[in-house]
Amino acid sequence: EIVMTQSPGTLSLSPGERATLSCRASQSVNSNLAWYQQKPGQAPRLLIYGTSTRATGIPARFSGSGSGTEFTLTISSLQSEDFAVYYCQQYNNWPPYTFGQGTKVEIK
Amino acid sequence: QVQLVESGGGLVKPGGSLRLSCAASGFTFSDYYINWIRQAPGKGLEWISYISRSSNMIYYADSVKGRFTISRDDAKNSVYLQMNSLRAEDTAVYYCAREEYDMLHIYFDLWGPGTLVTVSS
Repeated sequence: EIVMTQSPGTLSLSPGERATLSCRASQSVNSNLAWYQQKPGQAPRLLIYGTSTRATGIPARFSGSGSGTEFTLTISSLQSEDFAVYYCQQYNNWPPYTFGQGTKVEIK
Repeated sequence: QVQLVESGGGLVKPGGSLRLSCAASGFTFSDYYINWIRQAPGKGLEWISYISRSSNMIYYADSVKGRFTISRDDAKNSVYLQMNSLRAEDTAVYYCAREEYDMLHIYFDLWGPGTLVTVSS
C-alpha cells in the first residue's frame, strides 16, 4: 500500500497570501495524483487530477505540480472561501486508493 | 440534477449490521464505477470499496474485507454497502463517490453528502 504524507498539518495564512501544500508518496505514483478540498460539514470536492489538471470550474489560482513522489498544491492568492482542509490522493497503485492525512489552511 | 445521495446510516451496537444506500440521479448510472469512502470523526479520508460497471470487479480495503459487501442495482440507480460485524472503529461518515476517467487518470468527481454511522453500545 502506498502511504501519502502531507505537510504541514496546518497552514496559517492571511487572505491574499500564497499557500504551498506538500504531499509525499512512499513510492512513485508517477503523475497519478489528485487533490480534494473539504469544508466543514461538506463532502470533499475535486480540485486537481493528473497532478496538474484543474477540474471543471476550479479557479486558476489553484495549481498543482510534481511527479514521482513529491507533489505540491499552490493557491496563488488565498480567498476567504479557500480556507479548508486539502487532501492528496494517489491512484497509481490501487486498490487501495490512498489519501494523505490532510492539510488545514486556516485564517491567520 | 446530477447527484448522489446516501442513506441508511444510524446508531448500531458493536457486532450489529447496517445497510447503506447510495442513490444516483441526473446521469447514466450504469456507465460509472462507484466507490465508498469514509471519514471517522475529525480524521481523514479512507477508501473502503469499489464496484465496477456491471459489478465485474469489486474491491475492498483490508479494514473491511470479509465484513462489508458492496453491490449495485442499475435498474434502481443505486449502490449498496452491507456492513456486518460492525466495530467502534467503523464509526464514520460514509460517502459514495462517482469515479471518472480522463485518459489514464482516475478521479472522484461527484460525491454524496454522506451518511453518519455510529457504532456504540
